[in-house]
Amino acid sequence: DGGITQSPKYLFRKEGQNVTLSCEQNLNHDAMYWYRQDPGQGLRLIYYSQIVNDFQKGDIAEGYSVSREKKESFPLTVTSAQKNPTAFYLCASSSGTANTEAFFGQGTRLTVV
Amino acid sequence: GENVEQHPSTLSVQEGDSAVIKCTYSDSASNYFPWYKQELGKGSQLIIDIRSNVGEKKDQRIAVTLNKTAKHFSLHITETQPEDSAVYFCAAKDSGGYQKVTFGTGTKLQVIP
Repeated sequence: DGGITQSPKYLFRKEGQNVTLSCEQNLNHDAMYWYRQDPGQGLRLIYYSQIVNDFQKGDIAEGYSVSREKKESFPLTVTSAQKNPTAFYLCASSSGTANTEAFFGQGTRLTVV
Repeated sequence: GENVEQHPSTLSVQEGDSAVIKCTYSDSASNYFPWYKQELGKGSQLIIDIRSNVGEKKDQRIAVTLNKTAKHFSLHITETQPEDSAVYFCAAKDSGGYQKVTFGTGTKLQVIP
């Protein structure tokens, strides 16, 4: 079945450590996105990528890094520079063409302890 | 860049009543407006969308209206049911090269039996 998969579902990290969240899709989508969700803030765009080996900063990119070495994969690294990393992270993908919906993964809840 | 505002942030209605959620956007180049329903443990799924060349779209109890001149669009749910309780997000997708999707801050809808 086609879909978009995020892993892990829950992740705990010690303060000061980097952590990488996985996002894989087999929908043959060109575009992939990472969002952060906090209570009362909705979905805020961290990074997005339209094609392999290219990505753009979103609204809250500081403290995060991404790579897009393969079309299917768009991992997000939460670095120690991110001051408030505890949040729910959602990955999405879309075909990249006009007027098409985005498909979401199930999300990863990151807790810094 | 695009800015999407969504209101209200929370909404409680009695079962059987209608619910309306409103969004405004800033970028006149946006041409695709999806609505997503986020349920705990079920991820986010598209429930309805509208393109910029259409003023209204209906799917059973759910409808979306778009006013391009005023740059706002609304979700209407009629005959609400308890299973409609969820967080709803509106979004705007631009027509530029990067197809960026910008979300509203979400509306938590509670349908009271």
